[in-house]
Amino acid sequence: GENVEQHPSTLSVQEGDSAVIKCTYSDSASNYFPWYKQELGKRPQLIIDIRSNVGEKKDQRIAVTLNKTAKHFSLHITETQPEDSAVYFCAAEGPDKLIFGTGTRLQVFP
Amino acid sequence: EAGVAQSPRYKIIEKRQSVAFWCNPISGHATLYWYQQILGQGPKLLIQFQNNGVVDDSQLPKDRFSAERLKGVDSTLKIQPAKLEDSAVYLCASSPTRERQTQYFGPGTRLLVL
Repeated sequence: GENVEQHPSTLSVQEGDSAVIKCTYSDSASNYFPWYKQELGKRPQLIIDIRSNVGEKKDQRIAVTLNKTAKHFSLHITETQPEDSAVYFCAAEGPDKLIFGTGTRLQVFP
Repeated sequence: EAGVAQSPRYKIIEKRQSVAFWCNPISGHATLYWYQQILGQGPKLLIQFQNNGVVDDSQLPKDRFSAERLKGVDSTLKIQPAKLEDSAVYLCASSPTRERQTQYFGPGTRLLVL
């Protein structure tokens, strides 16, 4: 079945710097790759997603890139702000279900 | 649009006791998911319903966990009897259909088994 690896597990950046989180997946048939942000004690919320027919998608300060050949995708956050601090999960759609990565705890220091 | 509702928000029980969680998905969403999220880990799918039918329950510990979605709308997840390792947040999510659709999560039920 699908396996998703996520790195790094923790990431600390200074406010205004960029943050990059990387994920790899195993099932070449996967076609849908969402990213969720989970603040402490709150529900995961979708922040951006990408489908396999595109290589990059942007939404203001957030962008996701997908390399289907290498089976990896990345989340890029530019001009980070303290409110970006949270745990970020990548996911890949395996056969009929989403498989989540183990999460990256991002801390943005003012 | 109302979001996914879950209750209770918190539950503390002793091992070997029973517990039940309730979920009401977003109106019109055919697919409902129950996830278990252990502290420090990503959500793990327990069971997936399409309307009132089970699509995937391969990771559901069926000796102690059960779930139903009788009328294709709200759902209950039960644990009987609970073990210490069941301490986790139980998240319910829904999506309009199964494939490549955004899943919207509820606030979760935080379970502590003593």
